[in-house]
Amino acid sequence: TQLLEQSPQFLSIQEGENLTVYCNSSSVFSSLQWYRQEPGEGPVLLVTVVTGGEVKKLKRLTFQFGDARKDSSLHITAAQPGDTGLYLCAGPYRGATNKLIFGTGTLLAVQP
Amino acid sequence: GAGVSQSPSNKVTEKGKDVELRCDPISGHTALYWYRQSLGQGLEFLIYFQGNSAPDKSGLPSDRFSAERTGGSVSTLTIQRTQQEDSAVYLCASSPGQGTPLHFGNGTRLTVT
Repeated sequence: TQLLEQSPQFLSIQEGENLTVYCNSSSVFSSLQWYRQEPGEGPVLLVTVVTGGEVKKLKRLTFQFGDARKDSSLHITAAQPGDTGLYLCAGPYRGATNKLIFGTGTLLAVQP
Repeated sequence: GAGVSQSPSNKVTEKGKDVELRCDPISGHTALYWYRQSLGQGLEFLIYFQGNSAPDKSGLPSDRFSAERTGGSVSTLTIQRTQQEDSAVYLCASSPGQGTPLHFGNGTRLTVT
């Protein structure tokens, strides 16, 4: 069974701090996506990583795909209250690339 | 253009009643998904429609759950004889085609009392 486990599950930090969120699996994924979900809304895609070792930057967010394509990380520099939300990683089911499995999620709260 | 629209946004129902949840995908999107999200948790895949192909129903948790997609557009998720464990946020998403990013609606929060 393909699983995506995220850590930490909860994170509460002060504005201006840095943080890293992890997404791990024992399975190889052809790609991984990161979504952010705010209360009362659906998840919104942040980035897709495709190549092992790939690093993508989105303003203060840095995404990395592991060399073996089994894990990914999201690093936020100088967190802002607007970064608050549930961060979800997701990857396609093996053999059914049109379906995504989602990670367990990391709930981030950035205090002003 | 408009995003994915779901209705109702909230639904409270009594145990044993049937409920219907509606999803209007983005116009032109051929793929439509239903996911379920329990409080503060990740998303659980329920069902996937792609064009005129037979839907992938592998995620439906029991035969009380069913979904249809009429005319390749609007979809309805039906839960019969609701149970308290069905309480969750039901999210619909659409995408332009195979392997493309999902666009989610804001979900329907279902509470079974």
